[in-house]
Amino acid sequence: NAGVTQTPKFRILKIGQSMTLQCAQDMNHNYMYWYRQDPGMGLKLIYYSVGAGITDKGEVPNGYNVSRSTTEDFPLRLELAAPSQTSVYFCASSYKPRTSGRGTDTQYFGPGTRLTVL
Amino acid sequence: AQSVAQPEDQVNVAEGNPLTVKCTYSVSGNPYLFWYVQYPNRGLQFLLKYITGDNLVKGSYGFEAEFNKSQTSFHLKKPSALVSDSALYFCAVRDIGNYGQNFVFGPGTRLSVLP
Repeated sequence: NAGVTQTPKFRILKIGQSMTLQCAQDMNHNYMYWYRQDPGMGLKLIYYSVGAGITDKGEVPNGYNVSRSTTEDFPLRLELAAPSQTSVYFCASSYKPRTSGRGTDTQYFGPGTRLTVL
Repeated sequence: AQSVAQPEDQVNVAEGNPLTVKCTYSVSGNPYLFWYVQYPNRGLQFLLKYITGDNLVKGSYGFEAEFNKSQTSFHLKKPSALVSDSALYFCAVRDIGNYGQNFVFGPGTRLSVLP
């Protein structure tokens, strides 16, 4: 298994440009997440998804959009890039059985995308 | 709201010495606690977790963590540090509130093991 993959690894955008960060997982996980990591700030949740067709906002969703058309893919869209969105973005996935209240609770992370907005 | 604090930005330890990376948390109800490690230019890797049961949890690469409910702490420990343990360590607590399986991460502690 490749686990969680992210593309691109690096990207430089100009203010106002748009782009999509790709994330895919091959572990058949139902939960997927997008985080951003700013220096000294830990990780902040942007959006998450509990399954195909279902997404919800996290702590810092403004300026981003997501979709989850398949179990495997969870792209993150930036419509109008701003300098405040300069960060490292991590995608993660985890599995939670439908019939019980708890899952494995372990999130598996991709290698990250380093985005700079100038 | 759940929160996690890692009071030390940086921890330095000599190779072969024991290491401790501190974590305290605030959560309503029973906490689910985690430690992750991040090597340079990599994503986070799971080390260990506490859900219930024995307060001493053993994880990957010889790490362990002790859950202390009265002190609301979950410190990461290793008896003998290796230079290869140098990395950024994150403590996290699972928030079972409005964000589904959201995890709240601490700010991270950079561990440097000196040869």
